Amino acid sequence: DTEVTQTPKHLVMGMTNKKSLKCEQHMGHRAMYWYKQKAKKPPELMFVYSYEKLSINESVPSRFSPECPNSSLLNLHLHALQPEDSALYLCASSPQAGYEQYFGPGTRLTVT
Amino acid sequence: RKEVEQDPGPFNVPEGATVAFNCTYSNSASQSFFWYRQDCRKEPKLLMSVYSSGNEDGRFTAQLNRASQYISLLIRDSKLSDSATYLCVVDTGNQFYFGTGTSLTVIP
Repeated sequence: DTEVTQTPKHLVMGMTNKKSLKCEQHMGHRAMYWYKQKAKKPPELMFVYSYEKLSINESVPSRFSPECPNSSLLNLHLHALQPEDSALYLCASSPQAGYEQYFGPGTRLTVT
Repeated sequence: RKEVEQDPGPFNVPEGATVAFNCTYSNSASQSFFWYRQDCRKEPKLLMSVYSSGNEDGRFTAQLNRASQYISLLIRDSKLSDSATYLCVVDTGNQFYFGTGTSLTVIP
């Protein structure tokens, strides 16, 4: 089973809201990732967790806050977002960093 | 200079055609290489890993040339269902670097 699940599928939020995106995998993978993807562009890496520790933060604004409660779960907390943050947010996991990554279906976020 | 360069296309080919995509990368220390396909408004899905010796999976053949720092994907006998964006990915051991993606449309 190479399934990564993400909730919600769609999210519309105002600029003053606080919301969270959730990601889950049960493949025993030890690396998990958050990506942001705009239309007709490739995914852009935001954060990498390896063995539940944040190992890469690609200069992402502090209005995005990742959390890895355990080896199966990854959250992305959102606060005071801007309309330009509207995008598809993809979670991925891999057995370890440097191996093939498996992507979840994404959360399509619209900031109004 | 971008880590990964890829011709965005679009490639419009008839059913049954053979089509090839190339991708170049800048970091000679890159360790792992992959091709992903992404359908419109869907997530990227792993198509195949790319090995130095080259590898084949049905109608798909991937090649890696470390000396020239490029990877390629060959699709034989194209099907309508092959229409998608194909992303080459290079991993330096630290993170994935995506190419911009090549759009393929297979025409009946």
